[in-house]
Amino acid sequence: DGGITQSPKYLFRKEGQNVTLSCEQNLNHDAMYWYRQDPGQGLRLIYYSQIVNDFQKGDIAEGYSVSREKKESFPLTVTSAQKNPTAFYLCASTPYHTGGEQFFGPGTRLTVL
Amino acid sequence: AQSVTQLGSHVSVSEGALVLLRCNYSSSVPPYLFWYVQYPNQGLQLLLKYTSAATLVKGINGFEAEFKKSETSFHLTKPSAHMSDAAEYFCAVSEGGGNTPLVFGKGTRLSVIA
Repeated sequence: DGGITQSPKYLFRKEGQNVTLSCEQNLNHDAMYWYRQDPGQGLRLIYYSQIVNDFQKGDIAEGYSVSREKKESFPLTVTSAQKNPTAFYLCASTPYHTGGEQFFGPGTRLTVL
Repeated sequence: AQSVTQLGSHVSVSEGALVLLRCNYSSSVPPYLFWYVQYPNQGLQLLLKYTSAATLVKGINGFEAEFKKSETSFHLTKPSAHMSDAAEYFCAVSEGGGNTPLVFGKGTRLSVIA
């Protein structure tokens, strides 16, 4: 089945540690996105990538980093510089020639202990 | 800059009653508009989208939304609520379509009372 997978589903991290969240898609979509979701805040854009080896900062990029070495993969690293990383993280993708709708993965819940 | 305002962070309706979730947008160009639904601890699922075709858009699960340019609104409705409709709903806007990032509202949590 085609889709977007995120792993792990739940992730626990100690303060001061970097952690990487995985996002993979087999939909052959060109663009991929990372969002952060906090209660009552909606979804806020962290980073996005429209083509391989290129990405742009979103509204809340500080303390995060990404890479896009392959079309199907867009991992997100939450660094120790992110002051409040506990949140639900959602990955999405979209093909280029569509009406713009994004397809979402199931999410990763990160908790900092 | 584009933005989305969802009026009401929490809406409660009785089973069988009309569902109305409000969304107003701001955009400098004709927008692409979307409604998504999210169940607890899951990703978002597209309910429906407006991409400059018909102003009344029908989506999945009996939902529909009407694009009103004069009111800059894209409210979501369903004639009769079902218990399974209880979820969080997000309105989103894109100015470019294609792979332009979406801007989301803060969401409205819908509760359905038996």
